[in-house]
Amino acid sequence: RKEVEQDPGPFNVPEGATVAFNCTYSNSASQSFFWYRQDCRKEPKLLMSVYSSGNEDGRFTAQLNRASQYISLLIRDSKLSDSATYLCVVNMISSGSARQLTFGSGTQLTVLP
Amino acid sequence: EAQVTQNPRYLITVTGKKLTVTCSQNMNHEYMSWYRQDPGLGLRQIYYSMNVEVTDKGDVPEGYKVSRKEKRNFPLILESPSPNQTSLYFCASSLSLGGTQYFGPGTRLLVL
Repeated sequence: RKEVEQDPGPFNVPEGATVAFNCTYSNSASQSFFWYRQDCRKEPKLLMSVYSSGNEDGRFTAQLNRASQYISLLIRDSKLSDSATYLCVVNMISSGSARQLTFGSGTQLTVLP
Repeated sequence: EAQVTQNPRYLITVTGKKLTVTCSQNMNHEYMSWYRQDPGLGLRQIYYSMNVEVTDKGDVPEGYKVSRKEKRNFPLILESPSPNQTSLYFCASSLSLGGTQYFGPGTRLLVL
């Protein structure tokens, strides 16, 4: 089982739609969680961190469910510019090791006009 | 401008010919990492460094070497590249352990 799993998609949605992605992680000691966005052939960039109480940034809402070990990303009122691959990232800090930053393989989103 | 730079951006080489991919950051970050990205496998960490002269293996270190002689630079060395090292490589830096990763633009490597 992969440490961080995402539905690869692709998700094809019309402009204005609401779309949600889930990501599950296997290590219950995971301590911090992020969503990164990666445009085609470009580097990943931080979209938002995910906090225990859930957090919102404009049209984007991230939620964490520790009991079920998953995080989610909700995008409301999708724009064409939201088309990208969304990477779920989980960090388990163990004995000062930085190596436990684990990336999911990404969910591809295409927003259609 | 705060950034991570990598060179070269594209490289085609042949099996066994040593190569180095450079990485430099101007944000005074202590933590730097190298990742490779392959379809369906996501980003996998190759090596990381927590400070000058401090490096450690990530998840897929075989066939790679790194060095951290200066805080800003973290080159990735392939002593004897093989076709299975054909991939997209990203260097990243962060201010703190588990902090936001700032990625370089990537290096596309093809080993024939």
